Amino acid sequence: DARVTQTPRHKVTEMGQEVTMRCQPILGHNTVFWYRQTMMQGLELLAYFRNRAPLDDSGMPKDRFSAEMPDATLATLKIQPSEPRDSAVYFCASGLARQGTDTQYFGPGTRLTVL
Amino acid sequence: AQSVAQPEDQVNVAEGNPLTVKCTYSVSGNPYLFWYVQYPNRGLQFLLKYITGDNLVKGSYGFEAEFNKSQTSFHLKKPSALVSDSALYFCAVRDILTGGGNKLTFGTGTQLKVEL
Repeated sequence: DARVTQTPRHKVTEMGQEVTMRCQPILGHNTVFWYRQTMMQGLELLAYFRNRAPLDDSGMPKDRFSAEMPDATLATLKIQPSEPRDSAVYFCASGLARQGTDTQYFGPGTRLTVL
Repeated sequence: AQSVAQPEDQVNVAEGNPLTVKCTYSVSGNPYLFWYVQYPNRGLQFLLKYITGDNLVKGSYGFEAEFNKSQTSFHLKKPSALVSDSALYFCAVRDILTGGGNKLTFGTGTQLKVEL
């Protein structure tokens, strides 16, 4: 059955390194969301794309984070340079934006550890 | 902005007993409400949603939720809990993004623990 896939599942890196996380949304979905989950902050929305266009990235630290959708089958979240406080689980979710739905389907997440 | 509140960080229940996970909402206009479940080391899974219609919504794995407009609540329920239901449960509400489009605003989550 159709699922959102994310790579890598786990990433350990050193402070200052660039981190790229990838997401493949469910085929046919036109919305993509990036979330960060930590014990302290819970689930935070970082970015939202609809039809590949960024509609909201107000939750994302602009100086080091960037999100893109090079095509309809790939969304990326980059952190450069990474910091220990970026350690978290990053989830991608996709959905189909139309009246009466807005259900989001989540990927398995990327667990990032920045040393 | 729309919001949901989950007043309990943790709920403990014995297997076979009914369970309730509470959620209250604050919205302007008609609420679109959701429940998601997260098992350890997994992403969130959609359980059910209320858009309009019957106040009792049935979802996956035997869960249901009751929409109560007068109490602004959308509690998740199951008649007979299983140990395998132990997980983190999130309530969510559809919210409007300032840049256009909709998003889901999630509650803080309630850890459900079902014991033998």
